[in-house]
Amino acid sequence: GAGVSQSPSNKVTEKGKDVELRCDPISGHTALYWYRQSLGQGLEFLIYFQGNSAPDKSGLPSDRFSAERTGGSVSTLTIQRTQQEDSAVYLCASSLVRRTGGFSGNTIYFGEGSWLTVV
Amino acid sequence: TQLLEQSPQFLSIQEGENLTVYCNSSSVFSSLQWYRQEPGEGPVLLVTVVTGGEVKKLKRLTFQFGDARKDSSLHITAAQPGDTGLYLCAGFHQTGANNLFFGTGTRLTVIP
Repeated sequence: GAGVSQSPSNKVTEKGKDVELRCDPISGHTALYWYRQSLGQGLEFLIYFQGNSAPDKSGLPSDRFSAERTGGSVSTLTIQRTQQEDSAVYLCASSLVRRTGGFSGNTIYFGEGSWLTVV
Repeated sequence: TQLLEQSPQFLSIQEGENLTVYCNSSSVFSSLQWYRQEPGEGPVLLVTVVTGGEVKKLKRLTFQFGDARKDSSLHITAAQPGDTGLYLCAGFHQTGANNLFFGTGTRLTVIP
């Protein structure tokens, strides 16, 4: 499809296990975002990739969380030793980056998210 | 630290009523966006406001960016049940960083 694709759509895992969440951005989009959303809440920024630049990891909540983006396209978010508080929807988004002066003229497109439940 | 605070957090109104949702910050943003999210889906962009004082209209929705570019509002006229959803404001910080910060969200329910 032409949109942002995430997998798995749902994941139930046992506390202490590692999980990997995958994001396929829209082809040609150089910017990729990961967010976390707890039930009914706003989005918590996790990490941002832009081209070949060093990623902005300032939102990662702990060193159990890591993400990589291979070849400037697909991204994987890894959560090690999962805890119950990690249960949330993990949303990926992508955009073209157009900067005109101080304005980033981005339209950001979101995937449907990966629902993670840690039991 | 939550850069963008939305109010109210929850809103339940009757069909046909008007409502306003607020998005406030102590920081200046180069632009603010409003999204709507429905259950099981990702947020979908409604509008981007860029210039301080700017007003944009999208059918029954009116969006305003504050003069100082620290706040924004979303006004819905004659709400319909189809307007039900989670409304999120989001902004690119004035520093020029490309990471997009989201507000706390307003969950709107329009009762037929």
